[in-house]
Amino acid sequence: EVKLVESGGGLVQPGGSLRLSCVASGFTFSTHWMSWVRQAPGKGLEWVANIKPDGSEDQYVDSAKGRFTISRDNAKNSLYLQMNSLRAEDTSVYYCARDFPWAETGTVVWGQGTLVTVS
Amino acid sequence: EIVMTQSPATLSVSPGERATLSCRASQGISNDLAWYQQKPGQAPRLLIFRASTRATGVPARFGGGGSGTEFTLTISSLQSEDSAVYYCHQYNRWPIIFGQGTRLEIK
Repeated sequence: EVKLVESGGGLVQPGGSLRLSCVASGFTFSTHWMSWVRQAPGKGLEWVANIKPDGSEDQYVDSAKGRFTISRDNAKNSLYLQMNSLRAEDTSVYYCARDFPWAETGTVVWGQGTLVTVS
Repeated sequence: EIVMTQSPATLSVSPGERATLSCRASQGISNDLAWYQQKPGQAPRLLIFRASTRATGVPARFGGGGSGTEFTLTISSLQSEDSAVYYCHQYNRWPIIFGQGTRLEIK
């Protein structure tokens, strides 16, 4: 079964840091683009970052540039999001996703999300 | 940055009828558009990519169309389980931008 499981969310003070993790199973992790997408409580979806299969290229939404770093460890089938200088507006459920946005395999796989609260 | 505008904000349709949701891009994005369905407490579910290609396992009553700046998601023969928020997003260029969503209510 293809699965993504996020962890690392929690309550953090403004200006603090948090590292999210996403462990993948059921597929060859090292051959897929991976993403982080977030959703503030009661609000819409916002793409945060993408990383190439080999980790050699990444992209960020402007609000994350300079504060967040997406990375991956293909040997551990794991995706990460290091979040620094956190702000109240970063409060969201953070989802990791496979094959977002292009859906090369015919679909996009999502995790269940992890909640980050900055307060 | 491309702005994605969805309309209407809320749509109420009876079971068995058809719903048409719209998504407009502020600049041409070819057919680099996807549609998602999201139900409360759940992760988004991909319905349509490349503007009109159904994702794996998506029923044929979900259809996408359009190119350039105007796109539509059509859901025919509405069922109660179609009640959800629907999002479009463009992926023609970075950053990937979502629309604000359309809430579909089944009467």
